[in-house]
Amino acid sequence: VMTQSPATLSVSPGVRATLSCRASQSVSSNFAWYQQKPGQAPRLLISNASTRATGIPARFSGSGSGTEFTLTISSLQSEDFAVYYCQQYNKWPITFGQGTRLEIK
Amino acid sequence: QLQLQESGPGLVKPSEPLSLTCTVSGGSISSSHYYWSWIRQPPGKGLEWIGSIYYNVDTHYNPSLKSRVTVSVDTSKKQFSLRLSSVTAADTAVYYCASLSYGMDVWGQGTTVTVSS
Repeated sequence: VMTQSPATLSVSPGVRATLSCRASQSVSSNFAWYQQKPGQAPRLLISNASTRATGIPARFSGSGSGTEFTLTISSLQSEDFAVYYCQQYNKWPITFGQGTRLEIK
Repeated sequence: QLQLQESGPGLVKPSEPLSLTCTVSGGSISSSHYYWSWIRQPPGKGLEWIGSIYYNVDTHYNPSLKSRVTVSVDTSKKQFSLRLSSVTAADTAVYYCASLSYGMDVWGQGTTVTVSS
Protein backbone atom coordinates (compact mmCIF):
# COMPACT_ATOMS: atom_id res chain seq x y z
CA VAL A 1 0.00 0.00 0.00
CA MET A 2 1.25 3.44 -0.98
CA THR A 3 0.12 6.31 1.23
CA GLN A 4 0.55 9.92 0.11
CA SER A 5 0.49 12.98 2.29
CA PRO A 6 -0.99 15.45 2.46
CA ALA A 7 -4.14 14.82 0.45
CA THR A 8 -4.23 18.49 -0.53
CA LEU A 9 -1.42 21.02 -0.39
CA SER A 10 -2.08 24.74 -0.80
CA VAL A 11 1.03 26.68 -1.79
CA SER A 12 1.75 30.07 -3.32
CA PRO A 13 3.59 30.36 -6.65
CA GLY A 14 7.34 30.72 -6.25
CA VAL A 15 7.38 28.74 -3.02
CA ARG A 16 8.84 25.26 -2.47
CA ALA A 17 6.44 22.32 -2.24
CA THR A 18 7.20 18.98 -0.61
CA LEU A 19 5.03 15.92 -1.23
CA SER A 20 5.47 12.63 0.59
CA CYS A 21 4.74 8.99 -0.09
CA ARG A 22 5.16 6.05 2.23
CA ALA A 23 5.21 2.39 1.20
CA SER A 24 3.90 -0.29 3.55
CA GLN A 25 6.98 -2.40 2.76
CA SER A 26 10.30 -1.67 1.12
CA VAL A 27 10.19 -1.00 -2.62
CA SER A 28 13.90 -0.31 -2.87
CA SER A 29 14.26 2.50 -5.43
CA ASN A 30 11.68 1.07 -7.83
CA PHE A 31 9.48 4.07 -7.38
CA ALA A 32 8.02 6.81 -9.57
CA TRP A 33 6.17 10.11 -9.39
CA TYR A 34 3.55 11.28 -11.89
CA GLN A 35 1.79 14.57 -12.54
CA GLN A 36 -1.76 14.66 -13.85
CA LYS A 37 -3.65 17.73 -15.02
CA PRO A 38 -7.43 17.76 -15.61
CA GLY A 39 -8.44 15.90 -18.75
CA GLN A 40 -4.91 14.66 -19.40
CA ALA A 41 -3.06 11.39 -19.01
CA PRO A 42 -0.54 11.17 -16.20
CA ARG A 43 3.01 12.24 -17.05
CA LEU A 44 6.08 10.53 -15.64
CA LEU A 45 8.18 12.99 -13.65
CA ILE A 46 10.61 10.84 -11.67
CA SER A 47 11.63 7.19 -11.95
CA ASN A 48 14.01 5.09 -9.86
CA ALA A 49 13.08 7.40 -6.97
CA SER A 50 15.33 10.26 -8.10
CA THR A 51 15.84 10.22 -11.90
CA ARG A 52 14.03 12.96 -13.77
CA ALA A 53 12.24 11.77 -16.89
CA THR A 54 13.09 13.28 -20.26
CA GLY A 55 12.08 16.91 -20.52
CA ILE A 56 11.18 17.36 -16.85
CA PRO A 57 12.44 20.68 -15.45
CA ALA A 58 15.18 20.68 -12.86
CA ARG A 59 12.88 22.25 -10.26
CA PHE A 60 11.40 18.76 -9.79
CA SER A 61 13.48 16.44 -7.65
CA GLY A 62 12.84 13.10 -6.02
CA SER A 63 14.50 11.47 -3.05
CA GLY A 64 14.18 8.49 -0.77
CA SER A 65 14.44 4.72 -0.87
CA GLY A 66 12.90 1.79 0.90
CA THR A 67 9.64 3.04 2.34
CA GLU A 68 9.88 6.84 2.47
CA PHE A 69 9.91 9.06 -0.61
CA THR A 70 9.69 12.78 -1.28
CA LEU A 71 8.95 14.90 -4.33
CA THR A 72 10.18 18.46 -4.08
CA ILE A 73 9.23 21.26 -6.44
CA SER A 74 11.74 23.99 -5.71
CA SER A 75 9.82 27.05 -6.95
CA LEU A 76 6.25 26.48 -7.97
CA GLN A 77 5.17 27.68 -11.38
CA SER A 78 1.55 28.13 -12.41
CA GLU A 79 1.70 25.02 -14.59
CA ASP A 80 2.73 22.85 -11.62
CA PHE A 81 -0.66 22.98 -9.92
CA ALA A 82 -2.04 19.50 -10.55
CA VAL A 83 -2.52 16.12 -8.89
CA TYR A 84 0.59 14.07 -8.14
CA TYR A 85 0.70 10.30 -7.77
CA CYS A 86 3.37 8.02 -6.47
CA GLN A 87 3.82 4.46 -7.71
CA GLN A 88 5.88 1.42 -6.82
CA TYR A 89 6.99 -1.01 -9.50
CA ASN A 90 9.23 -3.12 -7.28
CA LYS A 91 6.82 -5.97 -7.00
CA TRP A 92 3.59 -7.11 -8.59
CA PRO A 93 0.91 -5.86 -8.23
CA ILE A 94 1.99 -2.38 -9.22
CA THR A 95 0.35 0.10 -6.88
CA PHE A 96 -0.32 3.83 -6.89
CA GLY A 97 -0.82 6.23 -4.04
CA GLN A 98 -4.17 7.96 -3.74
CA GLY A 99 -2.78 11.27 -4.98
CA THR A 100 -1.90 14.70 -3.60
CA ARG A 101 -3.72 17.68 -5.04
CA LEU A 102 -1.41 20.71 -5.27
CA GLU A 103 -3.48 23.85 -5.38
CA ILE A 104 -2.80 27.55 -5.54
CA LYS A 105 -2.95 29.35 -2.22
CA GLN B 1 9.27 8.40 -30.51
CA LEU B 2 6.98 5.83 -28.97
CA GLN B 3 3.29 6.67 -29.08
CA LEU B 4 0.28 4.76 -27.81
CA GLN B 5 -3.37 5.12 -28.80
CA GLU B 6 -6.36 3.42 -27.19
CA SER B 7 -9.45 2.43 -29.13
CA GLY B 8 -12.70 0.67 -28.39
CA PRO B 9 -16.37 1.20 -27.60
CA GLY B 10 -17.26 4.05 -25.28
CA LEU B 11 -20.41 2.36 -23.99
CA VAL B 12 -20.74 -1.19 -22.70
CA LYS B 13 -23.82 -2.86 -21.25
CA PRO B 14 -23.71 -4.37 -17.77
CA SER B 15 -22.66 -8.05 -17.69
CA GLU B 16 -21.07 -7.78 -21.16
CA PRO B 17 -17.32 -7.81 -21.84
CA LEU B 18 -15.25 -4.68 -22.32
CA SER B 19 -12.60 -4.88 -25.05
CA LEU B 20 -9.99 -2.22 -25.75
CA THR B 21 -6.98 -2.08 -28.01
CA CYS B 22 -3.79 -0.05 -27.77
CA THR B 23 -1.87 0.61 -30.97
CA VAL B 24 1.87 1.10 -30.70
CA SER B 25 3.69 3.42 -33.10
CA GLY B 26 7.16 4.89 -33.26
CA GLY B 27 8.68 1.81 -31.65
CA SER B 28 8.59 -1.96 -31.60
CA ILE B 29 5.89 -3.83 -29.70
CA SER B 30 8.39 -6.66 -29.52
CA SER B 31 10.80 -4.47 -27.59
CA SER B 32 12.47 -6.16 -24.66
CA HIS B 33 12.33 -2.89 -22.75
CA TYR B 34 8.64 -2.78 -21.90
CA TYR B 35 5.78 -4.37 -20.13
CA TRP B 36 2.70 -3.16 -22.01
CA SER B 37 0.20 -2.07 -19.42
CA TRP B 38 -3.38 -1.01 -18.77
CA ILE B 39 -4.44 1.45 -16.06
CA ARG B 40 -7.85 2.92 -15.33
CA GLN B 41 -9.24 5.91 -13.48
CA PRO B 42 -12.87 6.06 -12.34
CA PRO B 43 -14.48 9.51 -12.48
CA GLY B 44 -12.99 11.78 -9.84
CA LYS B 45 -10.78 9.03 -8.41
CA GLY B 46 -7.19 7.87 -8.53
CA LEU B 47 -5.23 5.52 -10.77
CA GLU B 48 -5.68 1.75 -10.66
CA TRP B 49 -3.28 -0.62 -12.38
CA ILE B 50 -5.13 -3.37 -14.26
CA GLY B 51 -2.48 -5.58 -15.80
CA SER B 52 0.76 -5.82 -17.79
CA ILE B 53 2.19 -8.14 -20.42
CA TYR B 54 5.75 -8.82 -21.63
CA TYR B 55 5.77 -10.24 -25.15
CA ASN B 56 3.12 -12.96 -24.80
CA VAL B 57 5.04 -14.88 -22.18
CA ASP B 58 4.63 -13.02 -18.94
CA THR B 59 1.45 -11.43 -17.70
CA HIS B 60 0.51 -9.92 -14.35
CA TYR B 61 -2.91 -8.78 -13.19
CA ASN B 62 -4.36 -6.78 -10.35
CA PRO B 63 -5.60 -9.40 -7.86
CA SER B 64 -8.87 -7.50 -7.47
CA LEU B 65 -9.61 -7.93 -11.19
CA LYS B 66 -7.68 -11.10 -12.01
CA SER B 67 -10.71 -13.35 -12.46
CA ARG B 68 -12.14 -11.03 -15.14
CA VAL B 69 -9.07 -9.67 -16.97
CA THR B 70 -7.07 -10.80 -19.97
CA VAL B 71 -4.25 -8.79 -21.55
CA SER B 72 -2.76 -10.00 -24.83
CA VAL B 73 -0.38 -8.88 -27.56
CA ASP B 74 -0.76 -9.08 -31.34
CA THR B 75 2.69 -8.33 -32.72
CA SER B 76 1.53 -8.50 -36.36
CA LYS B 77 -0.88 -5.62 -35.73
CA LYS B 78 1.44 -3.77 -33.32
CA GLN B 79 -1.35 -3.82 -30.75
CA PHE B 80 -2.01 -5.04 -27.26
CA SER B 81 -5.47 -5.56 -25.86
CA LEU B 82 -7.54 -5.60 -22.71
CA ARG B 83 -10.58 -7.75 -22.13
CA LEU B 84 -12.62 -7.30 -18.96
CA SER B 85 -15.56 -9.64 -18.57
CA SER B 86 -18.90 -9.19 -16.81
CA VAL B 87 -18.64 -5.44 -16.36
CA THR B 88 -20.68 -3.41 -13.89
CA ALA B 89 -21.13 0.31 -13.30
CA ALA B 90 -18.02 0.16 -11.10
CA ASP B 91 -15.95 -0.46 -14.24
CA THR B 92 -16.89 2.95 -15.65
CA ALA B 93 -13.59 4.78 -16.02
CA VAL B 94 -11.02 6.34 -18.29
CA TYR B 95 -8.81 3.51 -19.49
CA TYR B 96 -5.19 4.20 -20.33
CA CYS B 97 -2.54 2.08 -21.97
CA ALA B 98 1.09 2.71 -21.07
CA SER B 99 4.59 1.34 -21.49
CA LEU B 100 6.23 0.18 -18.28
CA SER B 101 9.98 0.02 -17.90
CA TYR B 102 11.37 2.14 -15.10
CA GLY B 103 8.04 3.73 -14.42
CA MET B 104 5.36 4.24 -17.06
CA ASP B 105 7.07 6.64 -19.42
CA VAL B 106 4.63 6.72 -22.33
CA TRP B 107 0.86 6.88 -21.96
CA GLY B 108 -2.01 6.91 -24.40
CA GLN B 109 -4.46 9.79 -24.20
CA GLY B 110 -7.06 7.58 -22.53
CA THR B 111 -10.48 6.41 -23.59
CA THR B 112 -13.65 6.80 -21.57
CA VAL B 113 -15.74 3.68 -21.07
CA THR B 114 -19.19 3.95 -19.56
CA VAL B 115 -21.06 0.89 -18.36
CA SER B 116 -24.78 1.46 -18.73
CA SER B 117 -27.82 -0.19 -20.20
